[in-house]
Amino acid sequence: EAQVTQNPRYLITVTGKKLTVTCSQNMNHEYMSWYRQDPGLGLRQIYYSMNVEVTDKGDVPEGYKVSRKEKRNFPLILESPSPNQTSLYFCASRTGGVNIQYFGAGTRLSVL
Amino acid sequence: KQEVTQIPAALSVPEGENLVLNCSFTDSAIYNLQWFRQDPGKGLTSLLLIQSSQREQTSGRLNASLDKSSGRSTLYIAASQPGDSATYLCAVYSGAGSYQLTFGKGTKLSVIP
Repeated sequence: EAQVTQNPRYLITVTGKKLTVTCSQNMNHEYMSWYRQDPGLGLRQIYYSMNVEVTDKGDVPEGYKVSRKEKRNFPLILESPSPNQTSLYFCASRTGGVNIQYFGAGTRLSVL
Repeated sequence: KQEVTQIPAALSVPEGENLVLNCSFTDSAIYNLQWFRQDPGKGLTSLLLIQSSQREQTSGRLNASLDKSSGRSTLYIAASQPGDSATYLCAVYSGAGSYQLTFGKGTKLSVIP
């Protein structure tokens, strides 16, 4: 089954404790991206990757890092989380060109 | 910078009604437009993707239209059902290589049995 898998689904942490949210897709998609969803602000793009070792900033990249060492994986790294990064995070993937984007089920992060 | 607006923010209709959800965008230089559905606590499910060269797309009871020149798209839902209750999101692909995806804030639809 074609899918985008995020882990963990729920995470509670404390300020400053580094964490990684993993994302994996099994569709051999070139393009992957991360979004955060906040009430009243909607979905905003954090980072995207056009292919292995190629990444770029989205609209709200501050406080986040990403890497794309393998085509299937695109982890989101918060090196020093802060309470304003409490949010619902989504990973997505698609092929290049005109194609439908597939989303993971989301990771709900709370930073205390 | 691309901005996407969805009106109304919430809509409640009785079962069986036809309805229209609206989406507008500020920069008409888009590649594609995609409509999604999001159920509470769940991820996004793609409903329809309209390429910039297309005027509309249909899937079952759903029909999406695109007018690039006016910066508008509509999602038409025929014969609404309680199972259609969800938040509907409009998103536009723009920027070099169509890598940037900008979302509207969504329309929360409630279909009353």
